[in-house]
Amino acid sequence: KNQVEQSPQSLIILEGKNCTLQCNYTVSPFSNLRWYKQDTGRGPVSLTIMTFSENTKSNGRYTATLDADTKQSSLHITASQLSDSASYICVVSVISGTYKYIFGTGTRLKVLA
Amino acid sequence: DTEVTQTPKHLVMGMTNKKSLKCEQHMGHRAMYWYKQKAKKPPELMFVYSYEKLSINESVPSRFSPECPNSSLLNLHLHALQPEDSALYLCASSPPGAGVAKNIQYFGAGTRLSVL
Repeated sequence: KNQVEQSPQSLIILEGKNCTLQCNYTVSPFSNLRWYKQDTGRGPVSLTIMTFSENTKSNGRYTATLDADTKQSSLHITASQLSDSASYICVVSVISGTYKYIFGTGTRLKVLA
Repeated sequence: DTEVTQTPKHLVMGMTNKKSLKCEQHMGHRAMYWYKQKAKKPPELMFVYSYEKLSINESVPSRFSPECPNSSLLNLHLHALQPEDSALYLCASSPPGAGVAKNIQYFGAGTRLSVL
């Protein structure tokens, strides 16, 4: 069964600290993996997208890694800011005839001053 | 223009009403999507249109009726909804012919729907 699991479910950190969010997937055949940031009541915004052959991708203070062998990805946030408070969603794409997008349950991050 | 615009932002409707949600993009994208998102849950795919043709219907009840009148516009017609249909409805679009690696979806801000 195609599944994407994220951990932790929620996380509270102090402003300026770093954190790492995890995404494990059991998806086949794998196409690509994306991390989205979703502010409350808003649509998700793409942070990074990685294919099978890419193992790291950065977007400012966000760095995503992908280990296609172990089917794990992480999103590392450096020097967190209050505006990083949001839900972070891992999405894995499957190609099986047509595209299918498997969404993780998300990690809710709260950054405190 | 790199936006997906959804209207209205909020909608309250009764179970006997008929209403429509609208989604618009002018990025030349040829794939458009409707998602439903309940609180603290990830988005659930409802429909996918590719080149104005319905390509995926994720077994959505017929009280939700999508329409893609042209490449820039996507509608979701609502009729006889239930209170459990209350959710954030998200529209997304993605570029044509971008290939596997570049199939990024751009999301709108959503319409928050309440069914009374």
